[in-house]
Amino acid sequence: DGGITQSPKYLFRKEGQNVTLSCEQNLNHDAMYWYRQDPGQGLRLIYYSQIVNDFQKGDIAEGYSVSREKKESFPLTVTSAQKNPTAFYLCASSRGRQGFGSGANVLTFGAGSRLTVL
Amino acid sequence: DAKTTQPNSMESNEEEPVHLPCNHSTISGTDYIHWYRQLPSQGPEYVIHGLTSNVNNRMASLAIAEDRKSSTLILHRATLRDAAVYYCIPYYDRGSTLGRLYFGRGTQLTVWP
Repeated sequence: DGGITQSPKYLFRKEGQNVTLSCEQNLNHDAMYWYRQDPGQGLRLIYYSQIVNDFQKGDIAEGYSVSREKKESFPLTVTSAQKNPTAFYLCASSRGRQGFGSGANVLTFGAGSRLTVL
Repeated sequence: DAKTTQPNSMESNEEEPVHLPCNHSTISGTDYIHWYRQLPSQGPEYVIHGLTSNVNNRMASLAIAEDRKSSTLILHRATLRDAAVYYCIPYYDRGSTLGRLYFGRGTQLTVWP
């Protein structure tokens, strides 16, 4: 079955450590996204990538980094510079420019990774 | 960015219809209206989207006002599995914002048995 796999589901980090969250999709989607969700809040965009080897900052990119070396993979690193990293992290993908003009750029989400800083 | 306004919460009884409203008065002519929902501790799930005319799929119906300044997501018979946060999202299909969907706080739907 096609979909998005995020790992790990739960992650604990000590202050000052970098951690990397994995996101893999087998939907052949061009675009991938990372969102952060805090309790009782909506989703906020961290980074997005429309194509391999290219990515753009979202609204809250400070303290995060990404790479897009392969179409199916978009890992997110939460660095020690992120002051309040405890949150629920969601990865998503979409057809991207293949859906341009049709409104069909529907996002498919992973199950999320919950990061807790100890 | 177009702003959306949704009620913070709504309630329904099981097997009754539910109408979830969304105001998007600053929407432009080419923006689609997307709806997603999110169950507790899960990623959001696509529900439906449309541009001008009403849309139906197996999950729900979407009614879009003639002036496109508001829309309503309709669940014809609510079930307990429909209890979720519902997000109304205008989709900006242009320039550097291509494919960039903004999620707000949404509407928390509670379904009573």
